[in-house]
Amino acid sequence: GAGVSQSPSNKVTEKGKDVELRCDPISGHTALYWYRQSLGQGLEFLIYFQGNSAPDKSGLPSDRFSAERTGGSVSTLTIQRTQQEDSAVYLCASSLYRGRSTNEKLFFGSGTQLSVL
Amino acid sequence: GDSVTQMEGPVTLSEEAFLTINCTYTATGYPSLFWYVQYPGEGLQLLLKATKADDKGSNKGFEATYRKETTSFHLEKGSVQVSDSAVYFCALPNAGGTSYGKLTFGQGTILTVHP
Repeated sequence: GAGVSQSPSNKVTEKGKDVELRCDPISGHTALYWYRQSLGQGLEFLIYFQGNSAPDKSGLPSDRFSAERTGGSVSTLTIQRTQQEDSAVYLCASSLYRGRSTNEKLFFGSGTQLSVL
Repeated sequence: GDSVTQMEGPVTLSEEAFLTINCTYTATGYPSLFWYVQYPGEGLQLLLKATKADDKGSNKGFEATYRKETTSFHLEKGSVQVSDSAVYFCALPNAGGTSYGKLTFGQGTILTVHP
């Protein structure tokens, strides 16, 4: 597709269950980001991938959160033992650029709405 | 650390009204500044940017000027349309981050434009 694709668009889970959220970036985009959007905290950076490696994981809120990227393309964000405070919209973004460039432009997906009951 | 303070919303306007959404920032040095927009049911998209002091970013009739003296980057549009109804986010790159895509966002301002 032409844009960043995320699945599922909505996920309802029970407290304590594990969930996997998927992001399919724009073809050829080497940089991939995960953000979280919640009512209380706004938009927060979670993790940054360049290719398959993650030089910046500083935004992951706890060790229950992990992410991987394979083949320099699809990424999966995994949340183990979900808690109610994990309820949020998880956004994925991708871009062409490597490193620090003022021309970097992020393209965002529509997000996954996660609800933990 | 770096931070962005954005005008609290929601903002409700009639079509053709003038729009201002205030944004001020605290940052090390002089970072690039961005406005992103999120239309209903869609992902965020870059609206405009400015990379240095006194730069004016513009797109789709929206403008914002990078004011170093007042550490501000207010978003303006002279005549809003119903189709401008969306959530607007001011943002800057995280200082010391490995990438310009690691952004610090403001809280977002919901804009609703009525016919």
